[in-house]
Amino acid sequence: KAGVTQTPRYLIKTRGQQVTLSCSPISGHRSVSWYQQTPGQGLQFLFEYFSETQRNKGNFPGRFSGRQFSNSRSEMNVSTLELGDSALYLCASSLGGNSARGEQYFGPGTRLTVT
Amino acid sequence: AQSVAQPEDQVNVAEGNPLTVKCTYSVSGNPYLFWYVQYPNRGLQFLLKYITGDNLVKGSYGFEAEFNKSQTSFHLKKPSALVSDSALYFCAVRGGFGTGTASKLTFGTGTRLQVTL
Repeated sequence: KAGVTQTPRYLIKTRGQQVTLSCSPISGHRSVSWYQQTPGQGLQFLFEYFSETQRNKGNFPGRFSGRQFSNSRSEMNVSTLELGDSALYLCASSLGGNSARGEQYFGPGTRLTVT
Repeated sequence: AQSVAQPEDQVNVAEGNPLTVKCTYSVSGNPYLFWYVQYPNRGLQFLLKYITGDNLVKGSYGFEAEFNKSQTSFHLKKPSALVSDSALYFCAVRGGFGTGTASKLTFGTGTRLQVTL
């Protein structure tokens, strides 16, 4: 079974631009979560989607948004990019349902650099 | 709010020796605990989880973890370390349903494991 895939793997953007990252979960998984990983802040939860609905949200500004499609694929968007948004963005999928019990499987991440 | 503490930034161990990577947690209700490993320029790989039942959980690559409710700890262990185990290890916690955090995984800051010959 194919793992979680994320595109693109690397991205360079300029301050003020916007960016869209894509995630395809493992087949059959209905929950997709997004995390931001930086050396200073570590791994921080952005949001989780289940059956096209946002189920939980972390403490990030409204510039960070996401959505999930009917095939469970997910996108996250960051508008008005800031230098501090430079990070590795990780997507994780799980079966969903009683999600607290199930482990999440992570993709390789998208490395975003904002200049 | 839920939180995870990994008190050691780095753990050094010689190949063949046992290793322990420490983790303590704070969460409302029953904890769901996880260990992940991250290799350079890679995403996180799931190692093992504690949901309920036996306090000693066995996972991938010979790793195991011991859940201790009274000490709110979930230490990762391996009887005999390998050089290939060198990586960044993350402990994570989720609260159960009803806590508002069931779908939110909170990670520790990570512990770098260095195994030398």
